[in-house]
Amino acid sequence: SAVISQKPSRDICQRGTSLTIQCQVDSQVTMMFWYRQQPGQSLTLIATANQGSEATYESGFVIDKFPISRPNLTFSTLTVSNMSPEDSSIYLCSVELASSGANVLTFGAGSRLTVL
Amino acid sequence: SQQGEEDPQALSIQEGENATMNCSYKTSINNLQWYRQNSGRGLVHLILIRSNEREKHSGRLRVTLDTSKKSSSLLITASRAADTASYFCATDGDTGGFKTIFGAGTRLFVKA
Repeated sequence: SAVISQKPSRDICQRGTSLTIQCQVDSQVTMMFWYRQQPGQSLTLIATANQGSEATYESGFVIDKFPISRPNLTFSTLTVSNMSPEDSSIYLCSVELASSGANVLTFGAGSRLTVL
Repeated sequence: SQQGEEDPQALSIQEGENATMNCSYKTSINNLQWYRQNSGRGLVHLILIRSNEREKHSGRLRVTLDTSKKSSSLLITASRAADTASYFCATDGDTGGFKTIFGAGTRLFVKA
């Protein structure tokens, strides 16, 4: 299975600033997924990032707020822009296991953001 | 939007007891999965059951799927303190199989 390195693991940010989260995979993958998990809640898909094309955002998420880069098949970044306390969440990147034959996901350890 | 609804939201049991968590979903699916999350960390895949399967086992885990009722259950037998975690069901929902949508999750606490 793929190994995903995600950083930062946690950060405390000031309102109005932006933070970029990095996700590195140890193998080439077609699709990478970014999820948000608000405190005590489940995971909500933010966007799907494909290499060589613009990310596909889910309802309620926009590129200006959550710009995503996908420069190659092993790396992606998610930026949380102009942060407010409501953006305090765990942000998780994930990839699909190629061997699963189904959309089984492997996750990074997550980036816990606290916005003051 | 969330696909799965899970119950109970929280479950507290003694070590050695069985834990059962239920999940309901709204649309047709190709498969249903269960994941585990320890203390706000990344999720770990536990088991996948396909829509044409009714029951599946993996170690102390037993998953059932009833597509007529759009529901699934996860049974953990002989629970251990180390099973303390949040458990989420997830489906591909009505997404063409490209996205995984997670349920609300059940927080399991196993007392030693």
